[in-house]
Amino acid sequence: GENVEQHPSTLSVQEGDSAVIKCTYSDSASNYFPWYKQELGKGPQLIIDIRSNVGEKKDQRIAVTLNKTAKHFSLHITETQPEDSAVYFCAARISSGSARQLTFGSGTQLTVLP
Amino acid sequence: KAGVTQTPRYLIKTRGQQVTLSCSPISGHRSVSWYQQTPGQGLQFLFEYFSETQRNKGNFPGRFSGRQFSNSRSEMNVSTLELGDSALYLCASSLARETGELFFGEGSRLTVL
Repeated sequence: GENVEQHPSTLSVQEGDSAVIKCTYSDSASNYFPWYKQELGKGPQLIIDIRSNVGEKKDQRIAVTLNKTAKHFSLHITETQPEDSAVYFCAARISSGSARQLTFGSGTQLTVLP
Repeated sequence: KAGVTQTPRYLIKTRGQQVTLSCSPISGHRSVSWYQQTPGQGLQFLFEYFSETQRNKGNFPGRFSGRQFSNSRSEMNVSTLELGDSALYLCASSLARETGELFFGEGSRLTVL
């Protein structure tokens, strides 16, 4: 099955700096890569996603890049703010046969220091 | 538009008991998936339902089961609870199986004593 590795597990940045979280996946059949933000006591919230036919996608301060050849994708947050502090999860999804589930990375605890 | 609603939010059970968790998806969403979240194992896929049929199942024992009703609401059941079943159980809905975007509820936090 699919395996997703996520690094780093913790990340501290100063407010205003950029943060980068990286993930690798194992199955070349994966074609959908979402990123979720989970705040304490809440469920994961979809913040951005990218499909395998696109190399980069941006949404205001957030961007995701995908390298299909290397099987890795990254989340970039610019001009970080204290409210960006949360756990971030990457995920990958295979759409073949009956499989539609997401396989998640282990999460990155991002702390933005004021 | 209301989000995914899960009930109960918190519950405490003892070993050997069984539990039923409920999930109401976003209006119009027909696919419901369940995930278990623990500090040690992270987010793990339990099962997916679409049109009242289980379409996919993760690597969990048969004590974990679920169903989906005609209005797309879903329930999951865990029988003969074990200490290791303590977790946050998350329900997610999507418009259709192919759209990809999953929207999660706040979860049901189960503690097994």
